[in-house]
Amino acid sequence: DSGVTQTPKHLITATGQRVTLRCSPRSGDLSVYWYQQSLDQGLQFLIQYYNGEERAKGNILERFSAQQFPDLHSELNLSSLELGDSALYFCASSVDYRGGMNTEAFFGQGTRLTVV
Amino acid sequence: ILNVEQSPQSLHVQEGDSTNFTCSFPSSNFYALHWYRWETAKSPEALFVMTLNGDEKKKGRISATLNTKEGYSYLYIKGSQPEDSATYLCALYNTDKLIFGTGTRLQVFP
Repeated sequence: DSGVTQTPKHLITATGQRVTLRCSPRSGDLSVYWYQQSLDQGLQFLIQYYNGEERAKGNILERFSAQQFPDLHSELNLSSLELGDSALYFCASSVDYRGGMNTEAFFGQGTRLTVV
Repeated sequence: ILNVEQSPQSLHVQEGDSTNFTCSFPSSNFYALHWYRWETAKSPEALFVMTLNGDEKKKGRISATLNTKEGYSYLYIKGSQPEDSATYLCALYNTDKLIFGTGTRLQVFP
């Protein structure tokens, strides 16, 4: 158990809908990263937060947004869903500001989103 | 755009064989290189975080080396076992982003 909790584990929704994925980082970790893994693709970096502030953005669509709350949990909001958004969404946390400098990222179990 | 490349894409070896994979990355502005092990139906787990040129790290039968000047890292597995079967990912840390390669899928046959 990595200590990172993601909910829900599975989500099935229709095109055009909006969903929210939730991530609780390991106790004490201030950085949260979101990744998307589509079929036959690697882990695509979406966005990173540190202590409530957005720090880095990757290939995140405008239909997607995220935030990190004062209790450090994070939510990834996906709207106007398309079939191509079906993927495994991972959250990872790390202990310090420059999360990757000297410390590893700990991954949650992921949320599998299926858009039908 | 940071490009992290891994080779080979997949590898099939017999139990007891030793094997190695390569991770290539841009050598400029290097901060850290991570290796993760990702078993099917689980989440990635960290193996090593390497920051210094010439770093060598070891965990049991698995070891890794780092060359930041030429932009590559090798992961070695000595005496592969069926339980080593997994996808091995490297990730480059740069300006608050942890960018992953597409991985090397290792299958070890008994």
